[in-house]
Amino acid sequence: EVQLAESGGGLIQPGGSLRLSCAASGFTVSSTYMSWVRQAPGKGLEWVSLIYYAANTYYADSVRGRFTISRDDSKNTLYLQMNSLRVEDTAVYYCARGVVGVVPLDYWGQGTLVTVSS
Amino acid sequence: DIQMTQSPSSLSASVGDRVTITCRASQDTSIYVAWYQQKPGKVPKLLIYTASTLQSGVPSRFSGTGSGTDFTLTISSLQPEDVATYYCQRYIRAPWTFGQGTKVEIK
Repeated sequence: EVQLAESGGGLIQPGGSLRLSCAASGFTVSSTYMSWVRQAPGKGLEWVSLIYYAANTYYADSVRGRFTISRDDSKNTLYLQMNSLRVEDTAVYYCARGVVGVVPLDYWGQGTLVTVSS
Repeated sequence: DIQMTQSPSSLSASVGDRVTITCRASQDTSIYVAWYQQKPGKVPKLLIYTASTLQSGVPSRFSGTGSGTDFTLTISSLQPEDVATYYCQRYIRAPWTFGQGTKVEIK
């Protein structure tokens, strides 16, 4: 059974850093699309970042240069390193997976809340 | 920026009605559009991918059409459990932009 479990969210001051983790089971993260999507309170979905295969990484303009997506294949875990956090980064962050070349995001985690506030 | 523009932003329809949501891409996105359903307080759920392929387990009252820049999601007979916000998403080359969402309610 495919499962995704995010962790690492919390309250952080503007300018701070946080690392989110997404532990996967039931499949291998190295063979699929792995993506982060966020949702600010009461707002719509915003795609954040994508990684697949060896070194294909992509970012939304709003986070490029501040966020870094990575994965640890030995731990079957996806990460999102978030630096220089802004108030507008406050959101629930979901990790999700898909089938490369076909299906975008077919399984989602439950999400982890990141609150950026002083 | 590549935009995905959904319309309407919200709608109210009666049980049994046919409901159509449209999504327009600012650039040609071939058939690489997906549709998601998000019920209040829940995680998004994939309904359709490659514009018209129904995800396993999704009721057949949901269907999708389109290619290029214009796409539609249709619910052939609206049910109470379909109350949700629906999002389109392009996934041909990054960024994988989402539409702004369409909130569907029962009249």
